[in-house]
Amino acid sequence: DTGVSQDPRHKITKRGQNVTFRCDPISEHNRLYWYRQTLGQGPEFLTYFQNEAQLEKSRLLSDRFSAERPKGSFSTLEIQRTEQGDSAMYLCASSPSPDRGGGYTFGSGTRLTVV
Amino acid sequence: AQSVTQLDSQVPVFEEAPVELRCNYSSSVSVYLFWYVQYPNQGLQLLLKYLSGSTLVKGINGFEAEFNKSQTSFHLRKPSVHISDTAEYFCAVGGDQGGKLIFGQGTELSVKP
Repeated sequence: DTGVSQDPRHKITKRGQNVTFRCDPISEHNRLYWYRQTLGQGPEFLTYFQNEAQLEKSRLLSDRFSAERPKGSFSTLEIQRTEQGDSAMYLCASSPSPDRGGGYTFGSGTRLTVV
Repeated sequence: AQSVTQLDSQVPVFEEAPVELRCNYSSSVSVYLFWYVQYPNQGLQLLLKYLSGSTLVKGINGFEAEFNKSQTSFHLRKPSVHISDTAEYFCAVGGDQGGKLIFGQGTELSVKP
């Protein structure tokens, strides 16, 4: 197993465009998390899935953000009509369930720059 | 609600000196506590975790942390740092039922020769 994979590693987009990121978790992990990290800050929780069910969404996740995990394996995070404030590192993590504090495994992240 | 406060945004230290990175948390429920390290342009790597039991937790790379329930703290320590320890360190808290983690704002550890 190669761990949690995120694609792309970097994305530069013009303001107003839509972008989509992909996350492939560790295969036996049924929980998948999305976080956003801006420069000089800790990761902020966005949403998480258990299998294909989206169990929690942060109020940070505006209507322009949508996440899916249709088959309970990989997940996508889409941002519509991007704004400069969306520029950040988007981190994906996975864990088994029940995780009981086993800890996440993080991917290397997708760095989004909106120009 | 849960929250985490990392008391120092930057900690400069000389190589082979000891270091302590401070973390305080707030929670109304039983918690799990974590320290993660992040190197530039990389994801987060788990250093250590406290789930239950002994309050002194040992992790990778010679780091350890002590859980203090009365002071709601989980400070990270290393007796002798190396240049390679230069990185951003994050304290995080999670509920004992699993789910999301809440992270502090991070402490930048800078080890100088």
